[in-house]
Amino acid sequence: EPEVTQTPSHQVTQMGQEVILRCVPISNHLYFYWYRQILGQKVEFLVSFYNNEISEKSEIFDDQFSVERPDGSNFTLKIRSTKLEDSAMYFCASSTNRGYTEAFFGQGTRLTVV
Amino acid sequence: ELKVEQNPLFLSMQEGKNYTIYCNYSTTSDRLYWYRQDPGKSLESLFVLLSNGAVKQEGRLMASLDTKARLSTLHITAAVHDLSATYFCAVDARGSQGNLIFGKGTKLSVKP
Repeated sequence: EPEVTQTPSHQVTQMGQEVILRCVPISNHLYFYWYRQILGQKVEFLVSFYNNEISEKSEIFDDQFSVERPDGSNFTLKIRSTKLEDSAMYFCASSTNRGYTEAFFGQGTRLTVV
Repeated sequence: ELKVEQNPLFLSMQEGKNYTIYCNYSTTSDRLYWYRQDPGKSLESLFVLLSNGAVKQEGRLMASLDTKARLSTLHITAAVHDLSATYFCAVDARGSQGNLIFGKGTKLSVKP
């Protein structure tokens, strides 16, 4: 069964460092998303991406964040200068249609900023 | 701003019992989703509800949507331990690009 895969599963980084989280969405999907979940809290939308550009972003997704689809398969989230409060589980998701079918989530990358 | 409220946030039930989780949302939406999350794991899609009056069932779980009341329910029938997990509802706000606004989740614990 096709699935969304994310790497790494766990990333530890020092405050101020740049991190890149990687995702391979399901191959025939067109819409891509990043969400984050701070430990014990709800899942929060960060950004959606379609046709090689950001289609929507939340207040959380400030200038420190960027997304890219560098080739036909990968979808990345970059945090330029990490802060302690960026520590969270980051989920990538993809869907075939915007909002009419479910989004399939990857297993997540746990980011720990120390 | 779209808000999604779930209750209860914590639910401890005995095996064999029935219970309902409620999901209210604050603005117009025709699309509601239920996800399950096991500890430390990803979000597994359970149901997609796309219209008023939609009802879907899978095993011991049944979800329904009332768009006029802005309410969805997830009903658990004859709970078993394997259903222990956190259940999230999420709403796709009308006019959005498909981003989901999640409730805080209901942590369900089913005890023998």
